[in-house]
Parts: sequence; structure tokens; C-alpha cells
Amino acid sequence: DAMVIQNPRYQVTQFGKPVTLSCSQTLNHNVMYWYQQKSSQAPKLLFHYYDKDFNNEADTPDNFQSRRPNTSFCFLDIRSPGLGDAAMYLCATSALALSSYNEQFFGPGTRLTVL
Amino acid sequence: AQRVTQPEKLLSVFKGAPVELKCNYSYSGSPELFWYVQYSRQRLQLLLRHISRESIKGFTADLNKGETSFHLKKPFAQEEDSAMYYCALRTTAGKSTFGDGTTLTVKP
Repeated sequence: DAMVIQNPRYQVTQFGKPVTLSCSQTLNHNVMYWYQQKSSQAPKLLFHYYDKDFNNEADTPDNFQSRRPNTSFCFLDIRSPGLGDAAMYLCATSALALSSYNEQFFGPGTRLTVL
Repeated sequence: AQRVTQPEKLLSVFKGAPVELKCNYSYSGSPELFWYVQYSRQRLQLLLRHISRESIKGFTADLNKGETSFHLKKPFAQEEDSAMYYCALRTTAGKSTFGDGTTLTVKP
């Protein structure tokens, strides 16, 4: 029944050790987003895909990369995690059609800890 | 660039009192506006969207283009309304911007 799935729910990595977070969706939505949410802060958009078109936010560090091999899956790669990258990472999807309501559906998030 | 402002970081009301969570936006195009809610230990989820003009869990929000506002209102707050509320704007290109959020506490 889950529509946006994120794995793992909790990820622990070491400082500087690359890590990949995954997101999958069963909604067949065109748009997939990755957000970073630190404690008591708003979700901050890192990037989003509109189909295969990648849209990076201007202030997203180069340390963060993303891949979307098909409609259902999207990955967030952190090449060299720093202590400041410890956060909740949220994946979301939405349809993009003139007649749709275009709400975002969020996954449960992956909490990343950097040791 | 678009921007969403929620001026109150914390809001506390008593059960049964009216509540209004403020949201102002700036965007040169035609925005889609949403309120999302995050209850304790749950995922972020949609509460309501301006396009459908609906009332969800007693909450309503009216888009005021003249004042560029999309305030969330409920006439009688309940304890189960305690949560973090985010106002969000989405552009026609699909980019979403969230406000900083308002933590609502409804006291018994």
C-alpha cells in the first residue's frame, strides 16, 4: 500500500565514506524530489527530476548527486559526507499535469547519521 | 525567485480557541499553494491545497492574491491538531518551496 518508499530508514556512515539513499514510488509520477531536513527546520529542496530532466538547486553542494534510472526509482548519493550532512532526507513525488492537484507525496524519510 | 514566509515559529492556543497560522508568499507567476502537516513521528503529509477550496479536519485556507497570503484557519482547535505545519508554494515548473514551519501546540 505504501506509495513512496525510502530505504533504509536509518543510515549510519563514517565521515567521508560515500553513501547512497534510495527512493521508489508506485504512483508513476513524473516528478521526484529530494529534500534535506535538519532538526526543527523546513525541508530544503536539494534537487528534483521532471521525468529525466535533472534540476539542481543553486545552493546544493556538489557533494550531493542524484540518479533516476527509471520512473520508479531515484537515488541520492553523498560522495563525502561531513558531519553537517547529518539530517533527515525526504523523497517526494508529484504528478505534473495541468488538470491535477499536484500535491507532493512524501516518503517516511531516511535519517542519516555521520560518525 | 519564489519565497514563502511563515512569521510564527511557535504558536500556542487553548483547546476550543480559534487558531490562524500565517503564510505569505512571493512569486511572479501563478502559484499553487499547499499546507502540509507533520505530526509527531509521522511523515509529512498534505493537509489541504488552495485549488480545491476544501475543509480538512476543520481547517480552511483562502488564497488572497492581493495580499499574497494563504493563512490556515480553524475555528476551534483540538489537542490532536498539535503538529508542525508547513506552507508550501509550487511553481508551474514543478519547483516547491517550503516555509520554515510553525509548531502549533494546543493546550488542554
